Amino acid sequence: DAGVTQSPTHLIKTRGQQVTLRCSPKSGHDTVSWYQQALGQGPQFIFQYYEEEERQRGNFPDRFSGHQFPNYSSELNVNALLLGDSALYLCASSPSGKGSYEQYFGPGTRLTVT
Amino acid sequence: GDSVTQMEGPVTLSEEAFLTINCTYTATGYPSLFWYVQYPGEGLQLLLKATKADDKGSNKGFEATYRKETTSFHLEKGSVQVSDSAVYFCALSADQGAQKLVFGQGTRLTINP
Repeated sequence: DAGVTQSPTHLIKTRGQQVTLRCSPKSGHDTVSWYQQALGQGPQFIFQYYEEEERQRGNFPDRFSGHQFPNYSSELNVNALLLGDSALYLCASSPSGKGSYEQYFGPGTRLTVT
Repeated sequence: GDSVTQMEGPVTLSEEAFLTINCTYTATGYPSLFWYVQYPGEGLQLLLKATKADDKGSNKGFEATYRKETTSFHLEKGSVQVSDSAVYFCALSADQGAQKLVFGQGTRLTINP
């Protein structure tokens, strides 16, 4: 059973560019959350997708957007990249429903903005 | 808003020492509490969890007890190993429906042989 997978592993972009990161959830999971982890910090919640809709959003600007596909996979898009967007981006999946407290994390995508 | 505060790191111990990493939280309602571990170059792995007051989560020799009266969820292990070297994150989920996690800043643990 494959866990949460993310692509690409590493990415280098220039300020002002746009980037798309991808995530496939663990089998049987239909909810995907995205987190940003700056170096030496804990992960910060960006947003969560369920049934192809953004269900909840953290304190991130509109430059951060996402999408969830019918197969539950998800994309994170960041426009007009800033140097401060350099971070490890983590995707987490979980099953929906009452009592579903555990999120499974992927290995992350390391984004470097120069 | 909801928040988690962990003891400052880094923490360096000798093998077989006793480990405590302190974690306190602020949240409305009755959050679920978690400890995640991040090994070098990897994503986060759930280490243990507790979903209600006085619950004890345990895994791989690690334990943590949900203390509502002190709003704490301290991580303990009786005898650490070199392989326990990693970054440990305390987290809470205050909204059980949406499952958003709020993390502490992490504590880097190094175990010397």
